[in-house]
Amino acid sequence: DAKTTQPTSMDCAEGRAANLPCNHSTISGNEYVYWYRQIHSQGPQYIIHGLKNNETNEMASLIITEDRKSSTLILPHATLRDTAVYYCIVRVAWKAHAGNMLTFGGGTRLMVKP
Amino acid sequence: EAGVVQSPRYKIIEKKQPVAFWCNPISGHNTLYWYRQNLGQGPELLIRYENEEAVDDSQLPKDRFSAERLKGVDSTLKIQPAELGDSAVYLCASSSSPPTQYFGPGTRLTVL
Repeated sequence: DAKTTQPTSMDCAEGRAANLPCNHSTISGNEYVYWYRQIHSQGPQYIIHGLKNNETNEMASLIITEDRKSSTLILPHATLRDTAVYYCIVRVAWKAHAGNMLTFGGGTRLMVKP
Repeated sequence: EAGVVQSPRYKIIEKKQPVAFWCNPISGHNTLYWYRQNLGQGPELLIRYENEEAVDDSQLPKDRFSAERLKGVDSTLKIQPAELGDSAVYLCASSSSPPTQYFGPGTRLTVL
């Protein structure tokens, strides 16, 4: 699996957009970019995933560069409840491929401040 | 839709004692995972089940850890005997469309 690099921590003002970067320069053509987050004392929560096109859902937007070597998770209007550790994970999406285990790195600790 | 249920949420035991964690996955999810998360780190996979079959337990310390998933639904993870280094959060996750996984709240184990 391709490795990912994320900043250790970031701050964001409440109500502003939070832009969380992730580098995955060794990503393969069949690997997706997944984002999960973990709020304190809770289990990780799936946010969004994408292959090459930008994706948007009710939680966030995912922007993947054209060369797919990096991506940005965007929380358009961050709230205090978005304070969490955000994990960027690169993984193939075949069910038969090693169970599609998720390998979590250290993630980015996002602090949303009033 | 009910999420992944885990119990207990917290457990404090003395070293060398046994301990067990229980997980009820989301209905219809055939794949079940157990992870361990040490303080300040991301979760690490211990074992994965496809229905009742353990298909990946390479990271499970088999000398003291065991797991089962009878009837392919609920699962239990056991440690016997527990050591100080086993203190961590034990997370259960389930999936119907890997690798999108849904996690439970976890069990925080403290070994004294």
